Amino acid sequence: AQSVTQLGSHVSVSEGALVLLRCNYSSSVPPYLFWYVQYPNQGLQLLLKYTSAATLVKGINGFEAEFKKSETSFHLTKPSAHMSDAAEYFCAVMRYGNKLVFGAGTILRVKS
Amino acid sequence: DAGVTQSPTHLIKTRGQQVTLRCSPKSGHDTVSWYQQALGQGPQFIFQYYEEEERQRGNFPDRFSGHQFPNYSSELNVNALLLGDSALYLCASSLDYTGGHNEQFFGPGTRLTVL
Repeated sequence: AQSVTQLGSHVSVSEGALVLLRCNYSSSVPPYLFWYVQYPNQGLQLLLKYTSAATLVKGINGFEAEFKKSETSFHLTKPSAHMSDAAEYFCAVMRYGNKLVFGAGTILRVKS
Repeated sequence: DAGVTQSPTHLIKTRGQQVTLRCSPKSGHDTVSWYQQALGQGPQFIFQYYEEEERQRGNFPDRFSGHQFPNYSSELNVNALLLGDSALYLCASSLDYTGGHNEQFFGPGTRLTVL
């Protein structure tokens, strides 16, 4: 069965600092991987997705993620945090176009 | 394009009652998936509807049922509500594509509180 582990339920960074949110997956075959962001009292917005093309994926709002098969990881990064990045971030895995399996989420706090 | 819409936004019910949540997919999409997001957790897959039939189901009891209409809109029904059913219910729509992944677009959710 597929699963996703997000390391760190809460991450705090200073404005302008590097953002690194960690995600590891377990899957017997290369999966499709996604990062979603959720702002308070809102639904999920897709940040970026990996679909077995380029291993470095660029998304919206300056975020990017690198697929590393050897480490079964898909960590999310952003070079410089902005106050508006404060939200909850979910990593998710999908196979065969069906259901998404989500991690528990990481709440990102950005300090001024 | 209105995107995925859900109604109602908030709902308060008591234990044992029944509830119906509604979802209209993004224009052009034919597949609807439902997820339950309990407080402090990631969304959990409930089921997916395509061509008016349940195509895949997660680990949820039969109290959770759904329906898809010819216009692709969908309903989620929950019977005999329990306190543990309190959650944000998310609807996601996608265009069926058997060749790979189906990118899912999420609605704003319905917040259900069971007292």
